[in-house]
Amino acid sequence: EVQLVQSRAEVKKSGESLRISCEASGYRFTSYWINWVRQMPGKGLEWMGKIDPSDSYTKYSPSFQGHVTISADRSITTAYLQLSSLKASDTAMYYCARRGSGAYYNSLDYWGQGTLVTVSS
Amino acid sequence: QSVLTQSPSASGTPGQRVTISCSGDSSDIGSHSVNWYQQLPGTAPKLLIYSNDQRPSGVPDRFSGSKSGTSASLAISGLQSEDEADYYCASWDDNLSGVLFGGGTRLTVL
Repeated sequence: EVQLVQSRAEVKKSGESLRISCEASGYRFTSYWINWVRQMPGKGLEWMGKIDPSDSYTKYSPSFQGHVTISADRSITTAYLQLSSLKASDTAMYYCARRGSGAYYNSLDYWGQGTLVTVSS
Repeated sequence: QSVLTQSPSASGTPGQRVTISCSGDSSDIGSHSVNWYQQLPGTAPKLLIYSNDQRPSGVPDRFSGSKSGTSASLAISGLQSEDEADYYCASWDDNLSGVLFGGGTRLTVL
């Protein structure tokens, strides 16, 4: 069974940094891109970026470039999202999601449960 | 384009058929397939329709998708109370080299 299990909720202060994890199981980790999606309170979904775990190639949305870093550790089948210099506006739910293959190629076919990040000033 | 265009809300009564639309342009929907995601309250999004009109295993056939040109639609027939959720369309975007989501449609079952 494919599963993406994310780290627990975090409460941080402005200016701090944070790393969220997404542990994958039930499939070959290096064969599927992992994407990160942000959802601010009461708002829609925003694509942040993606990583190819086979070689750690990354691609970021211009909206998030420079503020986030996506990485992966193949040895423990885990992807990470690092947020730096946190601001109150970073308060959101963050999801990891797997990009499918074959007919599912352009879809996000499995999602993590989400990690709620709260940033206080 | 920063986001695909969806109506913010839709509603229907149990048993009715409702349609949710999604509009894009040539760099996204016009060139790539459309996917739909369902987000029930307090949960993570779930893939509902992929490749314009395909249902993943386990998704009831009450849900159907279609695409024409730079627009797509999600239809829900035999509306049920458990269908009350937010629905997002999404497509690959050439300019972004990533996923472009619609703004979401909140479906209310009256």
